[in-house]
Amino acid sequence: DAGVIQSPRHEVTEMGQEVTLRCKPISGHNSLFWYRQTMMRGLELLIYFNNNVPIDDSGMPEDRFSAKMPNASFSTLKIQPSEPRDSAVYFCASRVALSSYEQYFGPGTRLTVT
Amino acid sequence: DAKTTQPPSMDCAEGRAANLPCNHSTISGNEYVYWYRQIHSQGPQYIIHGLKNNETNEMASLIITEDRKSSTLILPHATLRDTAVYYCIVRVVRDDKIIFGKGTRLHILP
Repeated sequence: DAGVIQSPRHEVTEMGQEVTLRCKPISGHNSLFWYRQTMMRGLELLIYFNNNVPIDDSGMPEDRFSAKMPNASFSTLKIQPSEPRDSAVYFCASRVALSSYEQYFGPGTRLTVT
Repeated sequence: DAKTTQPPSMDCAEGRAANLPCNHSTISGNEYVYWYRQIHSQGPQYIIHGLKNNETNEMASLIITEDRKSSTLILPHATLRDTAVYYCIVRVVRDDKIIFGKGTRLHILP
């Protein structure tokens, strides 16, 4: 298996632009997570889905952030409009929901907003 | 989830055993201890988990005290590639949500 796939790996954009991050979970995994990591705040859970349904979005910082999972093999995290403080590494992870299996993380997307 | 306490950083000589402690004094009876690590610029990676018995796999050993209030992750023969941040997490095994703390930054010294 190719593992969790994220794209793009790096994104540089200007303040005010829309940013879309993409994630393909491991086949057979029905739980998907979006995290954000910064030096100041560490690794934060933003939102997670079970069977394509958002379960907990309490970590989403504000209305500028939105996440969707239209099917079992694809999810997006969108920021509109982007701000410099959104600069971070965004990780996607997947696992088999409600099981004893661990989470598998993707390589991350490094976002820089200028 | 129960909270955990880890030292912010540790050093270990290459080839020696690295022993990473974790305190989780408020752990509940149905909560497991999980360890993940994050090598620089990569996503976190699962290492091992356990409930109350000691566990060993190809990466590490996990020693949990009898009262389950603390645990130690052991990397038996540390290499430079083990330099990473190590996270100790306690949670109910079927709980999907993981809350990462600050972890321990382990430096392996040549």
